[in-house]
Amino acid sequence: DAGITQSPRHKVTETGTPVTLRCHQTENHRYMYWYRQDPGHGLRLIHYSYGVKDTDKGEVSDGYSVSRSKTEDFLLTLESATSSQTSVYFCAIRVSVDTGELFFGEGSRLTVL
Amino acid sequence: SQKIEQNSEALNIQEGKTATLTCNYTNYSPAYLQWYRQDPGRGPVFLLLIRENEKEKRKERLKVTFDTTLKQSLFHITASQPADSATYLCALGNDYKLSFGAGTTVTVRA
Repeated sequence: DAGITQSPRHKVTETGTPVTLRCHQTENHRYMYWYRQDPGHGLRLIHYSYGVKDTDKGEVSDGYSVSRSKTEDFLLTLESATSSQTSVYFCAIRVSVDTGELFFGEGSRLTVL
Repeated sequence: SQKIEQNSEALNIQEGKTATLTCNYTNYSPAYLQWYRQDPGRGPVFLLLIRENEKEKRKERLKVTFDTTLKQSLFHITASQPADSATYLCALGNDYKLSFGAGTTVTVRA
């Protein structure tokens, strides 16, 4: 079974500080995604990756960067956090090429004060 | 820009009844549509996929329809149970990217 570990699960930080969220998968799925979820907006795609060192922007990528140096790890970085980036961040992996099914992690709740 | 709308934020129904959720979209031609379930504090969980050339899909007590002319999907939970209480998200996709609606929260009363 696919497994995803997101860390940290909860973080409180101050405006202007850098933040990195980590997503680790236990298998070798090619596609990995970072979404943010906010009330009234649903899940919005930030960035995604289709292989090691291969990444692309989603619909809300401003203020975020990503890196994927190993198949199993996908990092999301907020270079200088702002209050508008307070959100719940979900990592997902594409576990089925046929159905496009995404398997999600448990989420990382970030609060920027 | 593309837009995905789920009909209402909350739906309250009596146990045993059928819950019907709507997902409408504009400015988009998805190759497939998926439905996910999300419980509070958890990540979404995949339920069903329906492709653009399919009209209806069933899985146990769940039924999904997909009308590409109306740009609409209907999601039915038949013989609903309190355990079905959750938020349900529709997602539209082409290739390897999914776009999600905001979700509809379903509460099933015993």
